[in-house]
Amino acid sequence: EPEVTQTPSHQVTQMGQEVILRCVPISNHLYFYWYRQILGQKVEFLVSFYNNEISEKSEIFDDQFSVERPDGSNFTLKIRSTKLEDSAMYFCASSVDWQRNEQFFGPGTRLTVL
Amino acid sequence: GENVEQHPSTLSVQEGDSAVIKCTYSDSASNYFPWYKQELGKRPQLIIDIRSNVGEKKDQRIAVTLNKTAKHFSLHITETQPEDSAVYFCAASKNTGNQFYFGTGTSLTVIP
Repeated sequence: EPEVTQTPSHQVTQMGQEVILRCVPISNHLYFYWYRQILGQKVEFLVSFYNNEISEKSEIFDDQFSVERPDGSNFTLKIRSTKLEDSAMYFCASSVDWQRNEQFFGPGTRLTVL
Repeated sequence: GENVEQHPSTLSVQEGDSAVIKCTYSDSASNYFPWYKQELGKRPQLIIDIRSNVGEKKDQRIAVTLNKTAKHFSLHITETQPEDSAVYFCAASKNTGNQFYFGTGTSLTVIP
């Protein structure tokens, strides 16, 4: 069964550095999402992406964040200047279409900002 | 925006007993309610979902009920097994957007 994949599984970075988290959504899916989960807290929506543009974003997704689909398979989340509070598990998800709603999650990237 | 509350935060049951996890939501425009199971160190996996045009959905030992008037929905697991032990998250979304609003999660432990 196809799955969403994410790399790396764990990223450690210094505060102020840029990080890029990578995701490969399921191949026939058209909608892509990033969520984050701070340790012990709920999963929070960051952004959704469709047709090469952002369709929704949350208040968390400020100017420090950006997303890109650089080619036909990858979907990336960039954090320009990481802060300590960006430390979290970041999940990518994808769905076939908007109406069907089911989102399939990747295994996550644990980001640790020192 | 939408606010999803989930209870209890932890739940322990004996193997074979039933487990019930409850969620409430605030936005009456929400119309899709998935449940995800997350085992330790693994990705959240969709286990069942329900749309607002039905009141109940069942899949083997798992069922979900929805009360639109009261704005709450529940996950029911019958004949629990140790492999049901995991964190369960409820979520809500609306057809005016596709972001999920998650509950805080319930850590279920099934004691053999």
